[in-house]
Amino acid sequence: TQLLEQSPQFLSIQEGENLTVYCNSSSVFSSLQWYRQEPGEGPVLLVTVVTGGEVKKLKRLTFQFGDARKDSSLHITAAQPGDTGLYLCAGVLTSGGSNYKLTFGKGTLLTVNP
Amino acid sequence: EAGVAQSPRYKIIEKRQSVAFWCNPISGHATLYWYQQILGQGPKLLIQFQNNGVVDDSQLPKDRFSAERLKGVDSTLKIQPAKLEDSAVYLCASRSPFDWGGSSDTQYFGPGTRLTVL
Repeated sequence: TQLLEQSPQFLSIQEGENLTVYCNSSSVFSSLQWYRQEPGEGPVLLVTVVTGGEVKKLKRLTFQFGDARKDSSLHITAAQPGDTGLYLCAGVLTSGGSNYKLTFGKGTLLTVNP
Repeated sequence: EAGVAQSPRYKIIEKRQSVAFWCNPISGHATLYWYQQILGQGPKLLIQFQNNGVVDDSQLPKDRFSAERLKGVDSTLKIQPAKLEDSAVYLCASRSPFDWGGSSDTQYFGPGTRLTVL
């Protein structure tokens, strides 16, 4: 069983602060995805990282994939209350075509207080 | 483009009762997934369909859970009989065949059905 461990599990910060959440695995994945889930909704994809060492930026969010493609981090700069939500990382396993599966971590529940 | 639709959004039942959830994927999406998300955890894959065939149901508790996608479009997930530990959000997701292998290859999730078993 391939497991993804996320840390911290809970994070409560003030508006304007920076934060980093981590996603670690003992296994190598084809790629890794980060999702954000709001209460009462399904997860929404933020980014997919594929290449070891890859860095992607999405406005105030910076995503990094480890060189060995086993770990990833999400850094948020100047957090805003609208960033509040459950951040999930998911390892992608695929052998092409229809064989495409996600293994999710438990998530980091972020609360940004005004 | 309409998203993945699920119903009902909420369901409360007594243990040992039966319940069914319905999912309508994004039009043209051949791959459909059902996930179980227990409070405080990430989604766990229950079953994956490709058109109307099952690709992976290795984590589906087959003694009480069943799922079908008869015409390769809509899908239903059933629990019979329900147990207290089945309380969770059941998420449906679909995937486009046109994005396979590309950087945009992803699953699109519905809003989920929140099941409470009393």
